[in-house]
Amino acid sequence: KQEVTQIPAALSVPEGENLVLNCSFTDSAIYNLQWFRQDPGKGLTSLLLIQSSQREQTSGRLNASLDKSSGRSTLYIAASQPGDSATYLCVLTGGTSYGKLTFGQGTILTVHP
Amino acid sequence: SQTIHQWPATLVQPVGSPLSLECTVEGTSNPNLYWYRQAAGRGLQLLFYSVGIGQISSEVPQNLSASRPQDRQFILSSKKLLLSDSSFYLCAWGTGQGWNEQFFGPGTRLTVL
Repeated sequence: KQEVTQIPAALSVPEGENLVLNCSFTDSAIYNLQWFRQDPGKGLTSLLLIQSSQREQTSGRLNASLDKSSGRSTLYIAASQPGDSATYLCVLTGGTSYGKLTFGQGTILTVHP
Repeated sequence: SQTIHQWPATLVQPVGSPLSLECTVEGTSNPNLYWYRQAAGRGLQLLFYSVGIGQISSEVPQNLSASRPQDRQFILSSKKLLLSDSSFYLCAWGTGQGWNEQFFGPGTRLTVL
């Protein structure tokens, strides 16, 4: 059974800092890995998707890496801003046809001015 | 472009009353559709998924049911709500092909009193 762990559970940083969110998983037989952002009381917004054959994806100030052999992924946020404050979820898709997702518990990020 | 809608955004219902939450997707055809539940401070739990009209699979036994009367419409229902049904409900769609990236709706906050 796939298990996804995110560290840290919460993170508070001053504006402008570069930061790293960590995700580890127990089963390397994944189809892809997504990083989502969730604002309080809102739905999930997809930030980056890394296919199992890829090593990293970049979008603006965000960079996500994937190391299947070690069961790890990181989300790097450069020059953090208060608007980055949210819960960040690491989500894995298995190989089933319906694409069942396995969610991490999330990292609550607070960026203060 | 594809969009996903959920309504209502918030709902307060008495115990024992019926429930109907609706999700519709625009801009795509034959999507995989998903209902998730997110309890306060907890991760997402997959409730139902559908790979086609009238095809519903349940992931966990519960007081809820789902239906897919049209290709891009997914409905979550209950005949009699329980207090424990209070939660944040999210609908998502996925292509079911390639990376099977999933996209989430804005969610419905249900409070059962």
